[in-house]
Amino acid sequence: DVKVTQSSRYLVKRTGEKVFLECVQDMDHENMFWYRQDPGLGLRLIYFSYDVKMKEKGDIPEGYSVSREKKERFSLILESASTNQTSMYLCASSLPDSEQFFGPGTRLTVL
Amino acid sequence: GEDVEQSLFLSVREGDSSVINCTYTDSSSTYLYWYKQEPGAGLQLLTYIFSNMDMKQDQRLTVLLNKKDKHLSLRIADTQTGDSAIYFCAERGTGGSYIPTFGRGTSLIVHP
Repeated sequence: DVKVTQSSRYLVKRTGEKVFLECVQDMDHENMFWYRQDPGLGLRLIYFSYDVKMKEKGDIPEGYSVSREKKERFSLILESASTNQTSMYLCASSLPDSEQFFGPGTRLTVL
Repeated sequence: GEDVEQSLFLSVREGDSSVINCTYTDSSSTYLYWYKQEPGAGLQLLTYIFSNMDMKQDQRLTVLLNKKDKHLSLRIADTQTGDSAIYFCAERGTGGSYIPTFGRGTSLIVHP
């Protein structure tokens, strides 16, 4: 079974802090994705990566950056957290041209 | 751009059938997915259908695809309280278009 894990289920940070969200997959998937999920808005794509050291902006990249130094790990970075970044963050991975597998999510609260 | 639409809520009685509907705009959609998200969890792939199929059945789940109308539905027979969740419809093309487009999700509430 594909397993996608995220470093934290719940995280509380203060405004202005630098925040790292980590995602690891164990099935050698080329593609990895970061989404945020907000009530009534569904999933919105922040960034994705189709290979090591490659990254592409999604629909809402502002205020975020990513890092993919190893194939199995995709990190989402909030350089200076703000209250409007309070959300559920979901990581996913996939083979090329195949369905996505999701992690359990990280619920981030920025105070 | 591509768009996927779902109603936000559906309430059914335990034991009844649930039908969750989805419409999409991208005529080149090749794969259509249904994901389930239980409270506080990530999305779990429930089932998918290729665009050259009209129907797919898997135990209590039936997926119907009307490609002409770009309409997808998920029917859950004998709905149970454990089926209460958010259900996401998603569509994807092939080749370079490997990023799926998701609907906003339908919250299914099952009451006794």
